[in-house]
Amino acid sequence: QLQLQASGPGLVKPSETLSLTCTVSGGSIYSSGSHYWGWIRQPPGKGLEWIGNIYYSGSTYYNPSLKSRVTISVDTSKKQFSLNLTSVTAADTAVYYCARHPYAFWTPDSWGQGTLVTVSS
Amino acid sequence: DIVMTQSPDSLAVSLGERATINCKSSQSLLYDSKNKNYLAWYQQKAGQPPKLLIHWASTRESGVPDRFSGSGSGADFTLDISSLQAEDVAVYYCQQYYSTPPTFGQGTKVEIK
Repeated sequence: QLQLQASGPGLVKPSETLSLTCTVSGGSIYSSGSHYWGWIRQPPGKGLEWIGNIYYSGSTYYNPSLKSRVTISVDTSKKQFSLNLTSVTAADTAVYYCARHPYAFWTPDSWGQGTLVTVSS
Repeated sequence: DIVMTQSPDSLAVSLGERATINCKSSQSLLYDSKNKNYLAWYQQKAGQPPKLLIHWASTRESGVPDRFSGSGSGADFTLDISSLQAEDVAVYYCQQYYSTPPTFGQGTKVEIK
């Protein structure tokens, strides 16, 4: 059974960089090339926002609203993909989910449990 | 970006009764050449990640009880829970994947009356 687990600091200072890693178990990031791997966030008590995603080849998509601050990378040998979000503010406080979705249509069908990142000094 | 608007924001339904959630998109989600609506529904229980229930507006994921059904086309969609069970208490989200970025509705909280 595929499992995703996000990890990283739970507290980040304003203006610094938020860095998270998602580790995939029970499957391979490039097994069939049929999926993207992505990040979605949810501010406390609010809705869901798509951050971006990455294909095993390294091809990426970023939400234009965050594009200038986001980098997503993949390390297939470690079965991990990562999120970097620069120049964070309190508005970036959220539960960050890593997820997988089919290549052909962007409906995440496997999600990690999520990790809360708080931006505060 | 396509704006997704759900109604109501919350509803309370008696056990065994029907719950209906509406979702409107700011533009059509029907991909004519494929005759498919690029609309999905998710269920999020407290403290858990969302769970994909339905894609293509009406196709249930494997293992999803048949009391959940999706309908609609174009820009108007509905999620029905035919007979509400206690385990259905959750927030439900619609999502469009017709264009990037994918966007979600604000969520509808379903509770037991």
